[in-house]
Amino acid sequence: DQQVKQNSPSLSVQEGRISILNCDYTNSMFDYFLWYKKYPAEGPTFLISISSIKDKNEDGRFTVFLNKSAKHLSLHIVPSQPGDSAVYFCAAADSNSGYALNFGKGTSLLVTP
Amino acid sequence: SAVISQKPSRDICQRGTSLTIQCQVDSQVTMMFWYRQQPGQSLTLIATANQGSEATYESGFVIDKFPISRPNLTFSTLTVSNMSPEDSSIYLCSVLTGSGGYTFGSGTRLTVV
Repeated sequence: DQQVKQNSPSLSVQEGRISILNCDYTNSMFDYFLWYKKYPAEGPTFLISISSIKDKNEDGRFTVFLNKSAKHLSLHIVPSQPGDSAVYFCAAADSNSGYALNFGKGTSLLVTP
Repeated sequence: SAVISQKPSRDICQRGTSLTIQCQVDSQVTMMFWYRQQPGQSLTLIATANQGSEATYESGFVIDKFPISRPNLTFSTLTVSNMSPEDSSIYLCSVLTGSGGYTFGSGTRLTVV
């Protein structure tokens, strides 16, 4: 069963605006969350992570928010740029259970000029 | 962070044959993971391969179908055996780095005809 869910398969945003990508999870044991970006014919590239002891982590234009009670996290990209167009994967891990990542199905972001 | 060289990047194989995928890491890492991404799906963990021990397979994956070698801390192989068209996927290796991050190989796009 899918323990990490990205319910929006695609998102289109205008350049300069905010992109918000959402992710939900079901396993309350997950304590480490990551966002990856993937271009066609390339492997996933790490973007940003957050541990369960935090509710926000910021790195440049990228901010990840974690709401543990709702089992929900989101990635904000501000401002969005055309080069951000890619598939974004949310992933979660239980550090007490081997560190293997559980991935969502991804959201394809298109940033239009 | 670690850099992974994954080969081959793509292959087209006849059903019933086997393909071995290699991942070479530029530094020593303890934990290595093999994932599969079927068309339109999320990345699914096949197995965890730690040096010096047998690989640990996830539900739905077996050693006879996906034998894994991990001869040292910088190298691993995954073999897809007795292939069928259902094995057509992208296969990715990943390592857990000392800083707690994950790095992915560029992936192997396998098509079975």
